[in-house]
Amino acid sequence: EAGVVQSPRYKIIEKKQPVAFWCNPISGHNTLYWYRQNLGQGPELLIRYENEEAVDDSQLPKDRFSAERLKGVDSTLKIQPAELGDSAVYLCASRSIGNSPLHFGNGTRLTVT
Amino acid sequence: QQQVKQSPQSLIVQKGGISIINCAYENTAFDYFPWYQQFPGKGPALLIAIRPDVSEKKEGRFTISFNKSAKQFSLHIMDSQPGDSATYFCAASKSGGSNYKLTFGKGTLLTVNP
Repeated sequence: EAGVVQSPRYKIIEKKQPVAFWCNPISGHNTLYWYRQNLGQGPELLIRYENEEAVDDSQLPKDRFSAERLKGVDSTLKIQPAELGDSAVYLCASRSIGNSPLHFGNGTRLTVT
Repeated sequence: QQQVKQSPQSLIVQKGGISIINCAYENTAFDYFPWYQQFPGKGPALLIAIRPDVSEKKEGRFTISFNKSAKQFSLHIMDSQPGDSATYFCAASKSGGSNYKLTFGKGTLLTVNP
């Protein structure tokens, strides 16, 4: 079984530039999460999708962050414009129905200069 | 408000020793408590998990101890090996459909010396 795939693995941009991250969850996983992990910290939830519906986006900074999950499969997280404080690892995770565990991708490390 | 508090921040153990990491939670509605292991450059991977209907769960060298009244749970790694060197995160969640949202501790960097 292929795991959660994220791209790119690394991204370096200047502040005020836009950036986008892509996630392909495990096949058949209905629920998809985007987490942000700051250096030396645990992951913090940004947004959660059930199929194509965003059911929890209370932690997403909506002035600059946006996300979409078209057709309930792949997802894209966008930041526009990026700020220095956005430097972090952005993790995508997915899970199946019921009480199945969360599976994480290897993340995208974003550096904003 | 930090809902899951983890300690210590870092831990150094000799090969063959016991590693113990502790977590405390605040939300009594939490009913699912996993531990994740993360290696550098990788995403967190589920190690072991427990629900509050049992006080202990063991899988190989890894054991979770759970104290519902104290709202605490801990990870014990027996016979620690250099390959166990990683960052460990405790987490907690309300399970069941739309409630499933993991809240993570800040992590413990474990170093096992050969």
